[in-house]
Amino acid sequence: SAVISQKPSRDICQRGTSLTIQCQVDSQVTMMFWYRQQPGQSLTLIATANQGSEATYESGFVIDKFPISRPNLTFSTLTVSNMSPEDSSIYLCSVGGTLTYEQYFGPGTRLTVT
Amino acid sequence: DAKTTQPPSMDCAEGRAANLPCNHSTISGNEYVYWYRQIHSQGPQYIIHGLKNNETNEMASLIITEDRKSSTLILPHATLRDTAVYYCIVRGVSGTYKYIFGTGTRLKVLA
Repeated sequence: SAVISQKPSRDICQRGTSLTIQCQVDSQVTMMFWYRQQPGQSLTLIATANQGSEATYESGFVIDKFPISRPNLTFSTLTVSNMSPEDSSIYLCSVGGTLTYEQYFGPGTRLTVT
Repeated sequence: DAKTTQPPSMDCAEGRAANLPCNHSTISGNEYVYWYRQIHSQGPQYIIHGLKNNETNEMASLIITEDRKSSTLILPHATLRDTAVYYCIVRGVSGTYKYIFGTGTRLKVLA
């Protein structure tokens, strides 16, 4: 298994600003994923971030709104840009396992946009 | 769209077995069934996965039907701490490895 930490754990931000969320893993992993969980909803995949390549975004998510960096095999950031109240969600990162491909999730970042 | 269908909610008495069903009628031959749970907005926790054989670990058992179109997650002796949303996910072992989450089953364990 992998131990994943996220910073910040929560934040309250004003509309129009940006927030960068950090995801740190205790071991090297190839695949990292970013999810959004809106209030009372299930998880929705934002993008897949592999080290050394551009992130792959899911339908409905664009790089200008959610730029992602993946500078090495243990770290990634997700930026939520030009925020609006609709961006209020929990943002989670996860990493792919190795042999059996299960994913391990971070604790999440609870974002409130006012 | 998610490839799985689950009942939105279930109740289970503490100490009894909790049986959570999942329908995945369009599953392909190389796709695994994964189960996760999410306790009160924490990050989802991996429980178990399987391909076609029944699987058991320290947390749960996974029963997959012979035609692989449905499965059941069994928590043998449910406790109050098992109250969570349980997600059944189908995913292959090639390609992008991404998960598509459905709506899950909200399990409430009653004292």
